[in-house]
Amino acid sequence: GENVEQHPSTLSVQEGDSAVIKCTYSDSASNYFPWYKQELGKGPQLIIDIRSNVGEKKDQRIAVTLNKTAKHFSLHITETQPEDSAVYFCAASIDFGNEKLTFGTGTRLTIIP
Amino acid sequence: GAVVSQHPSRVICKSGTSVKIECRSLDFQATTMFWYRQFPKQSLMLMATSNEGSKATYEQGVEKDKFLINHASLTLSTLTVTSAHPEDSSFYICSALSYEQYFGPGTRLTVT
Repeated sequence: GENVEQHPSTLSVQEGDSAVIKCTYSDSASNYFPWYKQELGKGPQLIIDIRSNVGEKKDQRIAVTLNKTAKHFSLHITETQPEDSAVYFCAASIDFGNEKLTFGTGTRLTIIP
Repeated sequence: GAVVSQHPSRVICKSGTSVKIECRSLDFQATTMFWYRQFPKQSLMLMATSNEGSKATYEQGVEKDKFLINHASLTLSTLTVTSAHPEDSSFYICSALSYEQYFGPGTRLTVT
């Protein structure tokens, strides 16, 4: 089955700086890669996703890049703000998300004011 | 946007009792819903895939007789933890599939 690894497990960034979180996956059949933000005691919220026919996607301060050959994808947050502090999870799925998600281990991001 | 609710948000039960958690898609229909479990400071682990009108598909290592899933309508799936034990204490999260997975807010189960 699919295995998703995520690094780093914790990340502290000065407010205004950029944060990068990286994930690798094992199943070459995976073609949907979402990123979720989870705040304490809440369910995960989708912040951005990318499908395997695209190499990069951007939404305001958030961007995701995908390297299918190397089987890794990354989340980039620019101009970080205190409200970006949360746990971030990457995930992978086949069938463009219509199948189950396999989650990474999570990254606790702390933005230092 | 699509909204998924869960009820209850928190529940405390005694060891040996059963507890039911509901997952509802409020403004869309979902043929498929997923149930995840999340232990403190850990990732989400899929427990089972729930399909409306058919039996749920459980992940390896998840006891189907302990975690009963019913997906009786296109907007409601329920997870019943039977004969709960302290090790079942966890954060249970559902998601409903409609082009993408929309997650509920989670249910914190504490078994005493």
